[in-house]
Amino acid sequence: DTGVSQDPRHKITKRGQNVTFRCDPISEHNRLYWYRQTLGQGPEFLTYFQNEAQLEKSRLLSDRFSAERPKGSFSTLEIQRTEQGDSAMYLCASSRYPDHGGYTFGSGTRLTVV
Amino acid sequence: AQSVTQLDSQVPVFEEAPVELRCNYSSSVSVYLFWYVQYPNQGLQLLLKYLSGSTLVKGINGFEAEFNKSQTSFHLRKPSVHISDTAEYFCAVSESGGSYIPTFGRGTSLIVHP
Repeated sequence: DTGVSQDPRHKITKRGQNVTFRCDPISEHNRLYWYRQTLGQGPEFLTYFQNEAQLEKSRLLSDRFSAERPKGSFSTLEIQRTEQGDSAMYLCASSRYPDHGGYTFGSGTRLTVV
Repeated sequence: AQSVTQLDSQVPVFEEAPVELRCNYSSSVSVYLFWYVQYPNQGLQLLLKYLSGSTLVKGINGFEAEFNKSQTSFHLRKPSVHISDTAEYFCAVSESGGSYIPTFGRGTSLIVHP
């Protein structure tokens, strides 16, 4: 069990650029989740996958946000045309369904949009 | 939909003193309850969870929490804290019969002074 890996740990980008983050879940976990965390707040749910199927994406913050999980393994979260308000920590978590909400989180990717 | 209220944004305490971090939730159905800890610049780590059974739940690092259905509370306690317990603590709730996606509180910053 190598844990949940996220890459990169930090990303600084200029406003208007596209960014992509990667998450590698625990191998035997079939669910993968993306959350956003802003300063002083708890994690905010964005989307999740069960195997390769994206089961909930209505909570993605705008149509600039998209996520994929090809072949049910790693996942990517892309933000197009970044805005300063996108600056946050993006957290990935994985679990084995039915998990009831007990996840293993990665260390996160901190995005700064300048 | 469920919601979580963490009543204290910050709790200062001296080393070796007891501590209680408060969490109240709102839901119209049965719930599952969780406490996570987040150290600076890291992801969240599951401390403990209540799924069913005994209302007193023991977790890692000497923490415990008690589910009180009538008070809709799930307060976290530790009888004697250490400097290393300084971190952000998040309460989370998920609902039975759904996708089990938890909603997180805003967090409580535990600050342990020597």
